Amino acid sequence: GAVVSQHPSRVICKSGTSVKIECRSLDFQATTMFWYRQFPKQSLMLMATSNEGSKATYEQGVEKDKFLINHASLTLSTLTVTSAHPEDSSFYICSASARGQGGYTFGSGTRLTVV
Amino acid sequence: AQKVTQAQTEISVVEKEDVTLDCVYETRDTTYYLFWYKQPPSGELVFLIRRNSFDEQNEISGRYSWNFQKSTSSFNFTITASQVVDSAVYFCALTSAGGTSYGKLTFGQGTILTVHP
Repeated sequence: GAVVSQHPSRVICKSGTSVKIECRSLDFQATTMFWYRQFPKQSLMLMATSNEGSKATYEQGVEKDKFLINHASLTLSTLTVTSAHPEDSSFYICSASARGQGGYTFGSGTRLTVV
Repeated sequence: AQKVTQAQTEISVVEKEDVTLDCVYETRDTTYYLFWYKQPPSGELVFLIRRNSFDEQNEISGRYSWNFQKSTSSFNFTITASQVVDSAVYFCALTSAGGTSYGKLTFGQGTILTVHP
């Protein structure tokens, strides 16, 4: 079945630094990737949608300059949290879909803690 | 705009009890997909089911069953003879089947299920 590998699974960083999270589709070409954020004990909220080779589309209220998304190839999308602050501490999870598949495969998630 | 409501924030049952998790949705799309996911403490999302809006047949998979009723915009999930391993957060989700919103999942608030031995 389709597999999406997400790294790192956990990261602790200092306030003001940047963190990069990677999502790779291992056995299919992900034409679209979605990035979600989940605060503790809350639901998942879509942050942005990225299509291979084009700029990401951000949901309302998500700062595009803070959450940089790159989807340069059909198998890799990255989310960089720039100048991280404690309020960015959250669980970030990606999902990928291939054109025509109608299904979405989730990565295993990244738990970010900013100290 | 789409909306998914899971009215039960937390449910606690004793092992072997049956439990139903409710999900009600709102959408203006005529074609859409509904999902249920399980999220254990480790955080990953475990896919349970996807249902197309055209397919109102109920589905059973082992101890799991789903009741989709378009007339009431509900997609309820029942676990029969619950087990401790079923303890997790369960999310109901919705997406359009086409257009620019295709693939963007709208999640419900989640239901925390605790199954006691």
